[in-house]
Amino acid sequence: DTGVSQDPRHKITKRGQNVTFRCDPISEHNRLYWYRQTLGQGPEFLTYFQNEAQLEKSRLLSDRFSAERPKGSFSTLEIQRTEQGDSAMYLCASSLGSAPYNEQFFGPGTRLTVL
Amino acid sequence: AQSVTQLDSQVPVFEEAPVELRCNYSSSVSVYLFWYVQYPNQGLQLLLKYLSGSTLVKGINGFEAEFNKSQTSFHLRKPSVHISDTAEYFCAVRRNSGGSNYKLTFGKGTLLTVNP
Repeated sequence: DTGVSQDPRHKITKRGQNVTFRCDPISEHNRLYWYRQTLGQGPEFLTYFQNEAQLEKSRLLSDRFSAERPKGSFSTLEIQRTEQGDSAMYLCASSLGSAPYNEQFFGPGTRLTVL
Repeated sequence: AQSVTQLDSQVPVFEEAPVELRCNYSSSVSVYLFWYVQYPNQGLQLLLKYLSGSTLVKGINGFEAEFNKSQTSFHLRKPSVHISDTAEYFCAVRRNSGGSNYKLTFGKGTLLTVNP
């Protein structure tokens, strides 16, 4: 068990470009979450997957954002036509769904800077 | 909806001194309570959690927290801090039942700086 991994760790892009981040959860975890953390704030929930199904999307996730989890394994988060306001740390977490209480284990995050 | 207020954005302390990081929450339903720590350039690590039972919860690295339902607080304490405790600390809540009970709601964080 190597924990939750995220790639890349850092991404610098120009406004208007598209970016994609990847998250690899802990292998037996069937639930996956994305959070966004802006400077001086705590993480905010973006979206949730149970296996391959995306079951909830926050209103923070505009139509420029799309997340997928094909085959219920890794997940990708894509941002189209990036804006400077998208600059943030994007955190992925995973949990084991069958437990009555599901601890979320966090990855190291992808820091996005939009110039 | 739930909300979390961390009353101090920054707490400087000297090494070996005690520390308390304050957290208050608001919720119309019962919640689980958590403290996470974030070291520079790293993800969040769970320090401790309150699910039910004893209101005094012990976590990793010598931290403990006390749940106070009447005051809706969950303050984090450590009797003697080390330089290595320098980090950002986040208080969080989650509904313990019902819809979206997987969603964590975080406070804005408290930066703990331990000085020699």
